[in-house]
Amino acid sequence: DAGVIQSPRHEVTEMGQEVTLRCKPISGHDYLFWYRQTMMRGLELLIYFNNNVPIDDSGMPEDRFSAKMPNASFSTLKIQPSEPRDSAVYFCASSLDSSNQPQHFGDGTRLSIL
Amino acid sequence: GESVGLHLPTLSVQEGDNSIINCAYSNSASDYFIWYKQESGKGPQFIIDIRSNMDKRQGQRVTVLLNKTVKHLSLQIAATQPGDSAVYFCAENRLKTSSGSARQLTFGSGTQLTVLP
Repeated sequence: DAGVIQSPRHEVTEMGQEVTLRCKPISGHDYLFWYRQTMMRGLELLIYFNNNVPIDDSGMPEDRFSAKMPNASFSTLKIQPSEPRDSAVYFCASSLDSSNQPQHFGDGTRLSIL
Repeated sequence: GESVGLHLPTLSVQEGDNSIINCAYSNSASDYFIWYKQESGKGPQFIIDIRSNMDKRQGQRVTVLLNKTVKHLSLQIAATQPGDSAVYFCAENRLKTSSGSARQLTFGSGTQLTVLP
């Protein structure tokens, strides 16, 4: 079975540019999560969706970050404008529910902002 | 503040020995716990989970123990193999009281397990 699919795997861009990260969750999973991982802060939840609706975006660091889920099989995380401190690995995860089922992660997008 | 933490950041074991990775949590309201394994360049991979109404759960070569009295979680890996070398995270799932019924998975800082030949 296909797991969570993220693209691109790597992204290098200059500061000020718009960055769009993409995620395809596991089919049938109602919850989708975006995380950011850095050495300093570990894994941080940015936002999550239930049935395509954003439920908690309190982890989104700034207004430069936005996320959408136009349908059950696709989500984007956008940074505009990007800054060097946004450099991190961004993970998408999905799960059947939010309380008693594990989240399954994609392999992430390694983002470098120069 | 409340947090999920790990006792040791690194652990080295001989191949074939058993490994024990520990995790402390501070929120007594947490009711679901998960262990993840993360290899270099990959996302966290689900290993095993346990609910708060249990104190032990076994999988293939792995066992998770939950001690709610002292808020402690451990992952035991039997007959550790080179392929077990990775960072291991515990995560707790609990209600995020500031956001109504929203639940949040909070990760510990991770333990780097190195298997020596």
